[in-house]
Amino acid sequence: GQNIDQPTEMTATEGAIVQINCTYQTSGFNGLFWYQQHAGEAPTFLSYNVLDGLEEKGRFSSFLSRSKGYSYLLLKELQMKDSASYLCAVMDSNYQLIWGAGTKLIIKP
Amino acid sequence: NAGVTQTPKFRVLKTGQSMTLLCAQDMNHEYMYWYRQDPGMGLRLIHYSVGEGTTAKGEVPDGYNVSRLKKQNFLLGLESAAPSQTSVYFCASSPAWDRALNQPQHFGDGTRLSIL
Repeated sequence: GQNIDQPTEMTATEGAIVQINCTYQTSGFNGLFWYQQHAGEAPTFLSYNVLDGLEEKGRFSSFLSRSKGYSYLLLKELQMKDSASYLCAVMDSNYQLIWGAGTKLIIKP
Repeated sequence: NAGVTQTPKFRVLKTGQSMTLLCAQDMNHEYMYWYRQDPGMGLRLIHYSVGEGTTAKGEVPDGYNVSRLKKQNFLLGLESAAPSQTSVYFCASSPAWDRALNQPQHFGDGTRLSIL
């Protein structure tokens, strides 16, 4: 079967760095997406990785290792507005997105 | 700058009632999707469409029907609502997928549906 695993909840301090991990087992691989979802709102796109390595976008970076079925989202200089759920999703061989349950990130002052 | 618009935003139904959720996008996207999101679970694909007049089943299609008569609209129908269909429903759209161009899905704000 297809499976995406990510931690249910994480807590970090304002100004710090946090890494949210995602491991996956899917039928084929056509890229991995990270989305941010604030409570009661729609998911919004953060990043996309299809090749191994690190993609950096301002305070956010995303890493992919296809051989290990592993990705992480790195958030630097955390701000209170970063409190949200972070969703990992893999596009499988049928070009369908398989979603993880999301990681709720709590930022404390 | 509307993007993806869902109506209604909230609805309460009684078991056995029917209703239609409407999704409209103004980005000229070819692909459209309906998901449901339940606590502790990832987004699950109900149905999707890769173009006007075409639809296909996703992971959890039972109890739902869809139609895409116009490119910009994607309708989700519940013929006989059941309490298990209580959920938050999200519509999304994307351009036709091109690996080189990285085409994320754009989401509407969701419809919160309760079935009593």
